[in-house]
Amino acid sequence: NAGVTQTPKFQVLKTGQSMTLQCAQDMNHEYMSWYRQDPGMGLRLIHYSVGAGITDQGEVPNGYNVSRSTTEDFPLRLLSAAPSQTSVYFCASSSGATGNTIYFGEGSWLTVV
Amino acid sequence: TQLLEQSPQFLSIQEGENLTVYCNSSSVFSSLQWYRQEPGEGPVLLVTVVTGGEVKKLKRLTFQFGDARKDSSLHITAAQPGDTGLYLCAAAFGNEKLTFGTGTRLTIIP
Repeated sequence: NAGVTQTPKFQVLKTGQSMTLQCAQDMNHEYMSWYRQDPGMGLRLIHYSVGAGITDQGEVPNGYNVSRSTTEDFPLRLLSAAPSQTSVYFCASSSGATGNTIYFGEGSWLTVV
Repeated sequence: TQLLEQSPQFLSIQEGENLTVYCNSSSVFSSLQWYRQEPGEGPVLLVTVVTGGEVKKLKRLTFQFGDARKDSSLHITAAQPGDTGLYLCAAAFGNEKLTFGTGTRLTIIP
């Protein structure tokens, strides 16, 4: 099983550029989410979706957009990259919001210069 | 946003030793999960606990959920190099979204 697949694995952006991190899952999960992981700050929720056509903001949504046109895909868009967005990004999916196993992708390392 | 504190932040011990790491909050959890993350990979679920006082064992790992549902601990017996990684707790507070702790980075020295 592929599970949760993220691309790209590594990316370097210049300040002000835009880009999309792709995420796909093949487990037919309704719940998908994006986290960023920074040293000493754990995993912080950026945006999440409880099903196709439904998205909502997490703890740190500013500077990011998401959409959920299908159950499988949940792309994360950086509108105008800033150095503060340098981080490791994880896409995740689960069959429910809490108490269920969360399956994470392998991460996307983003550097904004 | 609820705060989950994990301690210690870093732990380095010799192979064969025992260790305990902790996850604490000032608020009551409805459920708590422990994940392990290896370098270059995403976190992987180890266990979910939902009942105060619950104890779960996974081979050499013992997970305990505090009676008051505000704390949890992970005890590893006879640590092995394969146990090296970042250990994250994640708690659900009522109907709010899952909150992750900052993690304990464990290194087992052969």
